[in-house]
Amino acid sequence: EAQVTQNPRYLITVTGKKLTVTCSQNMNHEYMSWYRQDPGLGLRQIYYSMNVEVTDKGDVPEGYKVSRKEKRNFPLILESPSPNQTSLYFCASSLVTGWDTQYFGPGTRLTVL
Amino acid sequence: GQQLNQSPQSMFIQEGEDVSMNCTSSSIFNTWLWYKQEPGEGPVLLIALYKAGELTSNGRLTAQFGITRKDSFLNISASIPSDVGIYFCAGRLTHTGGGNKLTFGTGTQLKVEL
Repeated sequence: EAQVTQNPRYLITVTGKKLTVTCSQNMNHEYMSWYRQDPGLGLRQIYYSMNVEVTDKGDVPEGYKVSRKEKRNFPLILESPSPNQTSLYFCASSLVTGWDTQYFGPGTRLTVL
Repeated sequence: GQQLNQSPQSMFIQEGEDVSMNCTSSSIFNTWLWYKQEPGEGPVLLIALYKAGELTSNGRLTAQFGITRKDSFLNISASIPSDVGIYFCAGRLTHTGGGNKLTFGTGTQLKVEL
């Protein structure tokens, strides 16, 4: 089944404790992206990647890192999480560009205390 | 960063009614997309629009790319309970170096009363 998977689905952590949210897709898509969703703000793009070893900042990249060493994986790294990074995070992928059909993962709800 | 304004923020309608929502931007877009998000899931693409003035349908859904390229509209005809969810518009800015990133609207929450 074609899908985007994220892990973990739920995470509660404390300020400053490094964490990684994994994202994997099995559709051989070139484009992958991370979004955060907050009430009243919709989805905001954090980082995106157009292919292996090619990443670029979205609208809200501060406090986040990403890497794209393999085509299928695009982990989101929070080196020193802070409470304002408490949010619902979505990973997405699409075949080539960022504006044709994007497939979204199920989301990761992160709480930073 | 750029945000798109969606209205209304929420709607509570009777089953069978038609629904209209819109999305506006201060910048020109060359692509408009409409997504639906159900509780506990990620957004799912409903309709994609690529040309100013374009009108595209997907079942009971119809979306239009505004002629000014700064707005888009989504209509749902004869709503049913499974239409419940949050509807997001998304657009791509037309400027050099804009890259391949989407800007999402703030969402319209739709609730359908039986």
